[in-house]
Amino acid sequence: AQKITQTQPGMFVQEKEAVTLDCTYDTSDPSYGLFWYKQPSSGEMIFLIYQGSYDQQNATEGRYSLNFQKARKSANLVISASQLGDSAMYFCAMRETTGANNLFFGTGTRLTVIP
Amino acid sequence: EAQVTQNPRYLITVTGKKLTVTCSQNMNHEYMSWYRQDPGLGLRQIYYSMNVEVTDKGDVPEGYKVSRKEKRNFPLILESPSPNQTSLYFCASSLGRRLDTQYFGPGTRLTVL
Repeated sequence: AQKITQTQPGMFVQEKEAVTLDCTYDTSDPSYGLFWYKQPSSGEMIFLIYQGSYDQQNATEGRYSLNFQKARKSANLVISASQLGDSAMYFCAMRETTGANNLFFGTGTRLTVIP
Repeated sequence: EAQVTQNPRYLITVTGKKLTVTCSQNMNHEYMSWYRQDPGLGLRQIYYSMNVEVTDKGDVPEGYKVSRKEKRNFPLILESPSPNQTSLYFCASSLGRRLDTQYFGPGTRLTVL
């Protein structure tokens, strides 16, 4: 089974609008971390936001927030007031405390911000 | 500046010619890892290292070797590259605690002809 599922291959959003990128995950580990990374066309992987499984509040970092619904095993990324520079691939990832401790990545969502 | 560096950034080589991609971090991180990124597959872990002289296989280790002789360096070695190793490679590092954020290098785009 896929550890991380991103069902939106591509999304479009109008500049200055908010957009939600979906992510669901699968784990039996009670302690885990969820991450979002941005990959612009230049190729680098930029860390955006982190949510721990025991965190009581949803994580926020500037215009990024994570809508964490533990019972539904979802960790959606919300980008508010979209900017043209937000156009990129976005990856959801999970790290568990067991096993190889690597990051499991989804297949990504390509976000395009329309002027 | 805290960073992960990789070299080279771009490499075109031929089948069977041994190559090494270097990775270095200046954040005193214990955990380092290599990933490859292929279209439609996301990123997959090749090898990881919990600390100096401690390395282990990730999900796709075949055809790769690594070493961790110093804390800051974690080179990826392709002894006999093949065309199916054409990919975008990322090195990443984190402090060491299991849920720490991994920070990525700029990537190395490798083409094997």
